[in-house]
Amino acid sequence: EAQVTQNPRYLITVTGKKLTVTCSQNMNHEYMSWYRQDPGLGLRQIYYSMNVEVTDKGDVPEGYKVSRKEKRNFPLILESPSPNQTSLYFCATGQFYEQYFGPGTRLTVT
Amino acid sequence: AQTVTQSQPEMSVQEAETVTLSCTYDTSESDYYLFWYKQPPSRQMILVIRQEAYKQQNATENRFSVNFQKAAKSFSLKISDSQLGDAAMYFCARLLSSGSARQLTFGSGTQLTVLP
Repeated sequence: EAQVTQNPRYLITVTGKKLTVTCSQNMNHEYMSWYRQDPGLGLRQIYYSMNVEVTDKGDVPEGYKVSRKEKRNFPLILESPSPNQTSLYFCATGQFYEQYFGPGTRLTVT
Repeated sequence: AQTVTQSQPEMSVQEAETVTLSCTYDTSESDYYLFWYKQPPSRQMILVIRQEAYKQQNATENRFSVNFQKAAKSFSLKISDSQLGDAAMYFCARLLSSGSARQLTFGSGTQLTVLP
């Protein structure tokens, strides 16, 4: 079964404590991406990766890092989380014309 | 900034009736893709329908169809015979791809309520 998995699904943390949200796909897609969803703003692209070792900034990259060392994984790293990064995060993968989204990670930074 | 605009934050429709959700977008590119995604309370993002900009024919998927007006940069979603399970947040999105870049931009969403 084609799957995009994210872990953790829920996370409450404190300001400044480094965290990583993992994303994994079993569809052998080259393209992967991270989005954050906030009320009234829809989903906004944080970073995307066209292939292993190739990453690029989306619309809202500040405060985030990513790495793509293997095709199936694309972790999102918050080195020093702040309350304005409280949001719902989605990982996605897919071909040019279709995106498959993970189940989402609800992050709260206090 | 090139944007995607959904001007209806909330819509409601009676069960079995038809509803149209509006979306406009901005781009200077001639080749792009447009999508409608559904997000039910489970928060899962579900692709409803997609349209390639180079195709003149409007896309249709069962009860869902679009009205794609390229010159006007308009991409509305029509839901026919609305069902209770159609209640969700709907997002319009535009995909641009050039060279090594791929940008998927979403609208702010329309919350659809289906009344029994």
